[in-house]
Amino acid sequence: AQKVTQAQTEISVVEKEDVTLDCVYETRDTTYYLFWYKQPPSGELVFLIRRNSFDEQNEISGRYSWNFQKSTSSFNFTITASQVVDSAVYFCALSENTGTASKLTFGTGTRLQVTL
Amino acid sequence: DAGVTQSPTHLIKTRGQHVTLRCSPISGHKSVSWYQQVLGQGPQFIFQYYEKEERGRGNFPDRFSARQFPNYSSELNVNALLLGDSALYLCASSLVPGVNQPQHFGDGTRLSIL
Repeated sequence: AQKVTQAQTEISVVEKEDVTLDCVYETRDTTYYLFWYKQPPSGELVFLIRRNSFDEQNEISGRYSWNFQKSTSSFNFTITASQVVDSAVYFCALSENTGTASKLTFGTGTRLQVTL
Repeated sequence: DAGVTQSPTHLIKTRGQHVTLRCSPISGHKSVSWYQQVLGQGPQFIFQYYEKEERGRGNFPDRFSARQFPNYSSELNVNALLLGDSALYLCASSLVPGVNQPQHFGDGTRLSIL
């Protein structure tokens, strides 16, 4: 069975600090996809990034960057110069092919609180 | 373009009742999935539908059922509600089912069971 672990339950930082959210996953699949989602208080899960298991290049998008390391089964997310608007719960997810369907297995989430 | 829309936003029911939740996918998306998110946890997969066919089902009892209509919208039905069914129910759509397909989520329906 697949598993995603987000060990950090809650992180508090002051605006402009850098913060890294950790994600460790378990899967027996050789081809898989990892995702990060942001969930603001409104409840909607906002898609941030998708990474496939064959692409270990780090990715940067503005203040966001992702570090995928297959050797340690980790897919960490860094926010540079955090802002109050970054406050949300962040979920790491692993996509699984069940044969006829594709489902996301989520971690328990990391709540990020950015204060002034 | 409109995102995934869900209705109602909030719902309060009592134990033993049944409930129907609705979802309209992003235009052009043919696959719809349902997830249950209990407070403090990550979403848990309930169903995936594609072209009106059930493609996958998570570890949920038979009280949970769903269907997809020709216009790709979907309904989630839950019978004989239990207190433990209180959760945020999220609908997600994608172009087609596939491990590489990003799923785009709606705002969810917050269901409270008294």
